[in-house]
Amino acid sequence: SQQGEEDPQALSIQEGENATMNCSYKTSINNLQWYRQNSGRGLVHLILIRSNEREKHSGRLRVTLDTSKKSSSLLITASRAADTASYFCATDARGFKTIFGAGTRLFVKA
Amino acid sequence: GAVVSQHPSWVICKSGTSVKIECRSLDFQATTMFWYRQFPKQSLMLMATSNEGSKATYEQGVEKDKFLINHASLTLSTLTVTSAHPEDSSFYICSARDDKTGGYNQPQHFGDGTRLSIL
Repeated sequence: SQQGEEDPQALSIQEGENATMNCSYKTSINNLQWYRQNSGRGLVHLILIRSNEREKHSGRLRVTLDTSKKSSSLLITASRAADTASYFCATDARGFKTIFGAGTRLFVKA
Repeated sequence: GAVVSQHPSWVICKSGTSVKIECRSLDFQATTMFWYRQFPKQSLMLMATSNEGSKATYEQGVEKDKFLINHASLTLSTLTVTSAHPEDSSFYICSARDDKTGGYNQPQHFGDGTRLSIL
């Protein structure tokens, strides 16, 4: 079963613009993770933010977590065509399992 | 970095055939591995948790006899789709956590997936 919802479902932007994706979840979590998936490939881990953290950065990526609202956002700054992919949030809850959100398909136009 | 190898990457076979997919952790040991299924343009749905030396734990709605999981060593889990039919066609992805570093607050490492097409 899926843990959360993501919005938007799809996002199309110009190269150089920022892209923001949101994720909401339903249950208490240990952490929230963001992954990237290129078409037809496996997932690449981007960032993990723990439940006691509010914000985390990695290069052009910025993730926020609001546990009171059960939501998270992923911001990609100065996007590039190579950032075109699907992005998923995932939560570790109910033990050791990782449950994925619905995903956002990002298309960055050169 | 930690690598998970999944094989085969792509398979086409006739209806009624059984298909085995392998998931190997190449440079770490993984007591627990996970199998996901993904339909086009959809998210990953957890099918089962594979446990080394014991029975797999299946998610609700996943047929145990249809999707056989064997986790015989700390570096290998296999998923066998038995008597596959066209509706089993999908993208199957495995993942694993490093036993040494993979606690609750560590990410999983994913294979590149297997695209299964049943004719």
